[in-house]
Amino acid sequence: QSALTQPASVSGSPGQSITISCTGTSSDVGLCNCVSWYQQYPGKAPKLIIYEVTNRPSGVSNRFSGSKSGNTASLTISGLQAEDEADYYCFSPTSKISLRLFGEGTRLTVL
Amino acid sequence: EVQLVESGGGLALPGGSLRLSCAASGFIFGRDWMTWVRQAPGMGLEWVANINKDGSEKNYLDSVKGRFAISRDNAKNSLYLQLNSLRAEDTAVYYCARDGFSYAMNVWGQGTTVTVTS
Repeated sequence: QSALTQPASVSGSPGQSITISCTGTSSDVGLCNCVSWYQQYPGKAPKLIIYEVTNRPSGVSNRFSGSKSGNTASLTISGLQAEDEADYYCFSPTSKISLRLFGEGTRLTVL
Repeated sequence: EVQLVESGGGLALPGGSLRLSCAASGFIFGRDWMTWVRQAPGMGLEWVANINKDGSEKNYLDSVKGRFAISRDNAKNSLYLQLNSLRAEDTAVYYCARDGFSYAMNVWGQGTTVTVTS
């Protein structure tokens, strides 16, 4: 099974808001409120920034928010800062109990 | 401090084997599912395998089934991934991660690099 669909890249200016989509099917993203999002800087390990579609772990800025509609989940970053420039991945379980899926990944550029 | 530290990566020949380890500290290891994720050079993240709290349930990516084996030793706070019959396409950084609420991975190691080349 292939990865969840994300845009390859998005960009925005400091202070602006951007949204990254993550599109799957009713067998994964649409299955439950289980989508999580990860931020990864080059050469570094991923970091959890959103879990269960909308929840932020302790210490994650409230500029990061998540939502879901049907088979598409979204990550919104408001008040863009230079430090937000990174790769972002969504993740979801699937109806096939032995399979989990990442999104293709989105490179965020802060102009 | 909650921490995961991977080791065991390196160079391997096609068809060869490696055993990756992940040492956990700062939390009660035996209470959590654990996962291995990999990232090929210049590519995205790929879920590889996971294991339940007592090691009785294991799940694998189709492309590694029959070649890779995940295991854990709760007494040693350690997670393992045995890589057999390695292929060039297994070349990647391998991360171990702790599963939290609803399958989200809330703690990650720094990764260990596996390179399969002749």
